[in-house]
Amino acid sequence: KNEVEQSPQNLTAQEGEFITINCSYSVGISALHWLQQHPGGGIVSLFMLSSGKKKHGRLIATINIQEKHSSLHITASHPRDSAVYICAVNRGSTLGRLYFGRGTQLTVWP
Amino acid sequence: DAMVIQNPRYQVTQFGKPVTLSCSQTLNHNVMYWYQQKSSQAPKLLFHYYDKDFNNEADTPDNFQSRRPNTSFCFLDIRSPGLGDAAMYLCATSTTGRETQYFGPGTRLLVL
Repeated sequence: KNEVEQSPQNLTAQEGEFITINCSYSVGISALHWLQQHPGGGIVSLFMLSSGKKKHGRLIATINIQEKHSSLHITASHPRDSAVYICAVNRGSTLGRLYFGRGTQLTVWP
Repeated sequence: DAMVIQNPRYQVTQFGKPVTLSCSQTLNHNVMYWYQQKSSQAPKLLFHYYDKDFNNEADTPDNFQSRRPNTSFCFLDIRSPGLGDAAMYLCATSTTGRETQYFGPGTRLLVL
C-alpha cells in the first residue's frame, strides 16, 4: 500500500465548478506538499503545509494532522487548471525525501 | 529570474550509449535532487546531494551516477541506458531539505 493515497485518480469538471482533491497518508510527516504538473512535465510547487490552511488565489489547501488528511480545493475552476495534481509528504526522519501520491488528473472543460 | 534549468529538454540515445543530463540552478540552494518519472507514475527519487554529500536511494540502479562539481550544477549520468530507462528526469532544489522543492522543466529521455 502506498504511503500517500490520492483520490480521485481522474476528475472532470465544467468551468466554474468547485473542485476538491483529497490526500491521505499513513506515516508521520513534517510537511505536506501540493504540486501541479502540466503536460510537458514541469512541476510547480503550490503549497507546503504543516498545519491548518493556506490560500493562494483560487487555490486553498487544508491539512488535518490528527486525521492524516489533506485537501486541495480549486474555486471557480478554469480550463487552464487542467493538470495533474500531486500530493507529497516529507517524513520527519528522512531529510528532503518526498513521498509522492500517484496524482490526480484534472480536466476542466469550457 | 532565479530558476532551475535542465538541458537538454529532450534527449534521444541508443541502447547502451552513455548519456549525461544536466541541471543548473541560480537559487543557491544547498540540496539538489534527481527524480525519474515514468509515464502516469509518480516521480521516483534517484539520489540527492546536500551540499557535497551524496545520498543514494537504496533501489537506484548502479547504472545511474551523479556528479555535483559545484553548488550550481548537478549531472545525471546513465552509463548504459536500457529501454526501461526511458522516462522524464526531473531535477529539483531546496534550501535545507525541509522546505519547498523547486523543480526544473525536466528532460525527456528516449532510448532507441
